Amino acid sequence: EPEVTQTPSHQVTQMGQEVILRCVPISNHLYFYWYRQILGQKVEFLVSFYNNEISEKSEIFDDQFSVERPDGSNFTLKIRSTKLEDSAMYFCASRDGTSGSDEQFFGPGTRLTVL
Amino acid sequence: AQSVAQPEDQVNVAEGNPLTVKCTYSVSGNPYLFWYVQYPNRGLQFLLKYITGDNLVKGSYGFEAEFNKSQTSFHLKKPSALVSDSALYFCAVRDRLTRAGNMLTFGGGTRLMVKP
Repeated sequence: EPEVTQTPSHQVTQMGQEVILRCVPISNHLYFYWYRQILGQKVEFLVSFYNNEISEKSEIFDDQFSVERPDGSNFTLKIRSTKLEDSAMYFCASRDGTSGSDEQFFGPGTRLTVL
Repeated sequence: AQSVAQPEDQVNVAEGNPLTVKCTYSVSGNPYLFWYVQYPNRGLQFLLKYITGDNLVKGSYGFEAEFNKSQTSFHLKKPSALVSDSALYFCAVRDRLTRAGNMLTFGGGTRLMVKP
């Protein structure tokens, strides 16, 4: 069964450093998402991406964040200058987008630890 | 704006007993509703969804959920709990009237503990 994959599973970085989190969505899906989950808190939406552009973003997704689909398979989240409060589990998700397929399929997550 | 409430942080149930995990929602239009399950150190796994049609929706692993528009609820149920059902359960909503790429809003999660 196709699945969303994410790398790395755990990323440790120093405050102020740039990080890139990588995701490979399910191959025929058209919509891509990033969510984050701070330890012990709810899953929060960051950004959605369709047709090579951001379709919606939350207030969390400020100028320090960017997303890119550099080729036909990868979908990346970049944090330009990490802060301590960026420490969280980051989940990538993808959605088919065709009629009747509204569920998003999530990857296993990347745990980001900012020191 | 859309929101989801899961009023119970934890639900404890004995194996073999029925379980219910509660969820209420708020959207400006009509909702798309989802349940996801998260096992330790794993991602979110889709369980079931309500889009339209029958209010009782059946999903994976014997789970079902009932959409109640008047009570704005979408409670998750299972007739007979298994120890392996122990996990964190998230309810999520999307407003049907918003754009196709719109986000999911999640509840805070409910930890289900099934004891032998």
